Amino acid sequence: AQKVTQAQTEISVVEKEDVTLDCVYETRDTTYYLFWYKQPPSGELVFLIRRNSFDEQNEISGRYSWNFQKSTSSFNFTITASQVVDSAVYFCALNLGGTGGTSYGKLTFGQGTILTVHP
Amino acid sequence: KAGVTQTPRYLIKTRGQQVTLSCSPISGHRSVSWYQQTPGQGLQFLFEYFSETQRNKGNFPGRFSGRQFSNSRSEMNVSTLELGDSALYLCASSLPGNTDTQYFGPGTRLTVL
Repeated sequence: AQKVTQAQTEISVVEKEDVTLDCVYETRDTTYYLFWYKQPPSGELVFLIRRNSFDEQNEISGRYSWNFQKSTSSFNFTITASQVVDSAVYFCALNLGGTGGTSYGKLTFGQGTILTVHP
Repeated sequence: KAGVTQTPRYLIKTRGQQVTLSCSPISGHRSVSWYQQTPGQGLQFLFEYFSETQRNKGNFPGRFSGRQFSNSRSEMNVSTLELGDSALYLCASSLPGNTDTQYFGPGTRLTVL
């Protein structure tokens, strides 16, 4: 069975600090997809990024960057120069590829990391 | 393009009652998944529907059920409510591929008294 672990329950930083959110996943499948979502206080999960298991290229989008390493089964997320608006709960999630069955529409989430950015 | 909408946003029920939650997917999205979010268990997958058929189901009791209509709108129903059913219920829609990105609605906050 697949599993996602976000060991950091809460992180508190001061504005403009860089912060890295850790995500470790477990799966025996060779094809899978990893995601990061942000959940602000309003409750809606906001999609940030998707990465498939065959693409280990790191990605940068503005102040956000993601480091995917299959060798360590990690998909870490870094926010550079954090801002108060980045305060939210961040979730890492896993979806299995393949031909369906138990993978249809199912995201397995980590427990989430609460990020608080103080002014 | 309008996002995923869920109604109602808030709901208060008493034990033993039943409840129906509604989800309208993004236009063109035909797959709808439902999740339950609680402080203790986190985000857990309930079920997924595509073309009015349930294709996948999580580990929840039979009191939790759902359906999808021909216009891809979906409903979930919880019968004989228990206190532990208090949660944020999130709906997500995606294109039909089984690994397409899911886009979430704002959720329905259910409180069972």
